[in-house]
Amino acid sequence: GAVVSQHPSWVICKSGTSVKIECRSLDFQATTMFWYRQFPKQSLMLMATSNEGSKATYEQGVEKDKFLINHASLTLSTLTVTSAHPEDSSFYICSARLRDRGSYEQYFGPGTRLTVT
Amino acid sequence: DAKTTQPNSMESNEEEPVHLPCNHSTISGTDYIHWYRQLPSQGPEYVIHGLTSNVNNRMASLAIAEDRKSSTLILHRATLRDAAVYYCILDRNFNKFYFGSGTKLNVKP
Repeated sequence: GAVVSQHPSWVICKSGTSVKIECRSLDFQATTMFWYRQFPKQSLMLMATSNEGSKATYEQGVEKDKFLINHASLTLSTLTVTSAHPEDSSFYICSARLRDRGSYEQYFGPGTRLTVT
Repeated sequence: DAKTTQPNSMESNEEEPVHLPCNHSTISGTDYIHWYRQLPSQGPEYVIHGLTSNVNNRMASLAIAEDRKSSTLILHRATLRDAAVYYCILDRNFNKFYFGSGTKLNVKP
């Protein structure tokens, strides 16, 4: 149980275009999903928290107009990188939160590798 | 965000136990301690979590100091598949995870 999928697993796009990444919880409902970014040889950096039916909350320094997050249902959150530039090339990972006896576990997707040319 | 400190890297021999330490001196009373691990080009994988008492599951054991300012993840018999970056994270108020730099575990055959 507690499987999270992401689509696509990798994507290459041209500078200036937009890219949408989907995150789905396959066997549970997730009221909260998180989006992270990871550059090579670095740790995960939390970008935003996505709550079903409400606006996402972004971490300091993350441009909300550039990284659009939509959490339309209890099993789906999307991240759209708008007007992508080469510096947006990164590994994007989502997670979904599952409550287990008082502690909120996060289950992570496999990640999406974005390359902007 | 609640900060954790881990060694950058550790090495172990296959089939031997591994003890991965984590310091979290600023932990507060309701913070859960979580451990995740990440293989290259994959999302993090849940390992174990605890609050005050030591915890065991099929993957590992978690030993939590009495003052809760440190914890140790124990892999009882390391295998090559356990080679990964291990992250110790404090979960404050059932909230967000802020990842530190983690410990890269190398397992030698």
